[in-house]
Amino acid sequence: GDSVTQMEGPVTLSEEAFLTINCTYTATGYPSLFWYVQYPGEGLQLLLKATKADDKGSNKGFEATYRKETTSFHLEKGSVQVSDSAVYFCALSGRDNNDMRFGAGTRLTVKP
Amino acid sequence: SAVISQKPSRDICQRGTSLTIQCQVDSQVTMMFWYRQQPGQSLTLIATANQGSEATYESGFVIDKFPISRPNLTFSTLTVSNMSPEDSSIYLCSVSTGWVGRELFFGEGSRLTVL
Repeated sequence: GDSVTQMEGPVTLSEEAFLTINCTYTATGYPSLFWYVQYPGEGLQLLLKATKADDKGSNKGFEATYRKETTSFHLEKGSVQVSDSAVYFCALSGRDNNDMRFGAGTRLTVKP
Repeated sequence: SAVISQKPSRDICQRGTSLTIQCQVDSQVTMMFWYRQQPGQSLTLIATANQGSEATYESGFVIDKFPISRPNLTFSTLTVSNMSPEDSSIYLCSVSTGWVGRELFFGEGSRLTVL
């Protein structure tokens, strides 16, 4: 079945460092891909999404490109802030079903 | 988008008891789902809540343990029955406003601790 493999971390960075969180997927057909963020004590919020190959999702300085050839959707940010400290989940939604599958989550801590 | 309210936001329960979690959405939605997030873990889908019919459960989850209702397009309940400490988790309601491939919106979750 469909699945997502995500770099688990935890990841600790200094403020203004470059961030990459790797995500690869296995799916039949052409799924939609998502990054969700969970701040401490809160629910999940959609960070960005891409619905077809070569699409780039972006939001709040974060970017991810849907790479069909490498089945990847890596999350990047050029300069992280302390306020970016959270858990990040990669997820996919298949074309043949309505539910969503999540990666293991990556805890990011940004230090001043 | 959709605004989702879950009740209770947290509770401490005794072993052997049952607790019902409510999920209310501010607009009609096509799909409603219940997820479990165990401490420090990712999200695991429990079931899809189907309006007016029995929920569709994922492998490892059964109706006797997690009965679900969805009487209309904006409301669903999840009951955690005969609880044990292993049921201590965050339970999340999520909804989709579209069909396949659309994003999910999440409530803030219900954090249950079973003693």
